[in-house]
Amino acid sequence: AQSVAQPEDQVNVAEGNPLTVKCTYSVSGNPYLFWYVQYPNRGLQFLLKYITGDNLVKGSYGFEAEFNKSQTSFHLKKPSALVSDSALYFCAVGTYKYIFGTGTRLKVLA
Amino acid sequence: EAGVTQFPSHSVIEKGQTVTLRCDPISGHDNLYWYRRVMGKEIKFLLHFVKESKQDESGMPNNRFLAERTGGTYSTLKVQPAELEDSGVYFCASRKTGAYEQYFGPGTRLTVT
Repeated sequence: AQSVAQPEDQVNVAEGNPLTVKCTYSVSGNPYLFWYVQYPNRGLQFLLKYITGDNLVKGSYGFEAEFNKSQTSFHLKKPSALVSDSALYFCAVGTYKYIFGTGTRLKVLA
Repeated sequence: EAGVTQFPSHSVIEKGQTVTLRCDPISGHDNLYWYRRVMGKEIKFLLHFVKESKQDESGMPNNRFLAERTGGTYSTLKVQPAELEDSGVYFCASRKTGAYEQYFGPGTRLTVT
């Protein structure tokens, strides 16, 4: 069975510092991995995906994620956090349907 | 291009009543999904349409939930009769055939009292 874990309910980071939101997965076969962001009263917005190829994937708003097969991880990163990055972040795995993690609330402090 | 839209944005009903949620996918997206997030837990898959056909409805909780997608355009999700545990946020998503990513609507927050 496929599963996704986001071990941190909340991550706090100072503005301008690098941020990491963690995600680990368990799948049989090759994983299709995704990150989404949800701002208040909005739907989930697609940030980036890993299907195959380079382990470092670049996405929207300066976010990137690193696929690590040996550690079964797909951590979301950004070199310099903005206050406007504060939101709820979801990691997902799947092909035609997604399995989501429980979400991580990112709070960027000014 | 317009995104996925959902109506209503919020619905409050009493236990035993019926509610119908609507989703309009992105034009040209044959794949349509329903998901649900209950009480801050993970977002869970409910079902998947390809055009007007149900491809996978393994996530539907029980037979009180009925989803339709007549004509392969918009979709409705009816809950009849609603129970307290049906409260949550119902998300719709669509995907273009051949693409991997799904695009989500803003969700419908359903509160059953």
